[in-house]
Amino acid sequence: GNSVTQMEGPVTLSEEAFLTINCTYTATGYPSLFWYVQYPGEGLQLLLKATKADDKGSNKGFEATYRKETTSFHLEKGSVQVSDSAVYFCALSRLGGSYIPTFGRGTSLIVHP
Amino acid sequence: EAGVAQSPRYKIIEKRQSVAFWCNPISGHATLYWYQQILGQGPKLLIQFQNNGVVDDSQLPKDRFSAERLKGVDSTLKIQPAKLEDSAVYLCASSSKAGSSYEQYFGPGTRLTVT
Repeated sequence: GNSVTQMEGPVTLSEEAFLTINCTYTATGYPSLFWYVQYPGEGLQLLLKATKADDKGSNKGFEATYRKETTSFHLEKGSVQVSDSAVYFCALSRLGGSYIPTFGRGTSLIVHP
Repeated sequence: EAGVAQSPRYKIIEKRQSVAFWCNPISGHATLYWYQQILGQGPKLLIQFQNNGVVDDSQLPKDRFSAERLKGVDSTLKIQPAKLEDSAVYLCASSSKAGSSYEQYFGPGTRLTVT
């Protein structure tokens, strides 16, 4: 079946540091890939997405590129802020047969001033 | 635009009791999802509705869980009887259409504790 593997957290960084959160996936066919973010006390919200190979999703300074050859969708940001502290979830979904969105375990990011 | 509403926000019950959760999706959203998120894990899809029909319920433990979406708007998820391992956050989400690239909008969740 489909699966998503994320790097374990927490990831602890100082403000303005470079962020990478690794995400790899297993899926048949061509899934769409997503990063969702959950800020403290809030619900999950979409951060960015990519729907086909080599697409780059971007939002709020975050980027991720859909790499089919390495089955990866790593999240990056050049300079993190304290307000980026949250839990980040990588997810995939695909259409065909049954449509089952699949989420990773989540990676907690803590940014210190 | 109002977001996805869920109630209650918190619930504590004893094992073998019953519990129900309610979700009201974003107005006009045809697709509604229920997820179970156990502490330290990502959300796991329990059931997906398209309007008032079930698209997928392959991961729903049907011996104790049930869900309905009457009139294709709000939805109820029920657990009867509850087990200790049902302790989790139950998330409701909606999207305007079904399909792999459509964004899901999540509610705040209901935190269930089974003692």
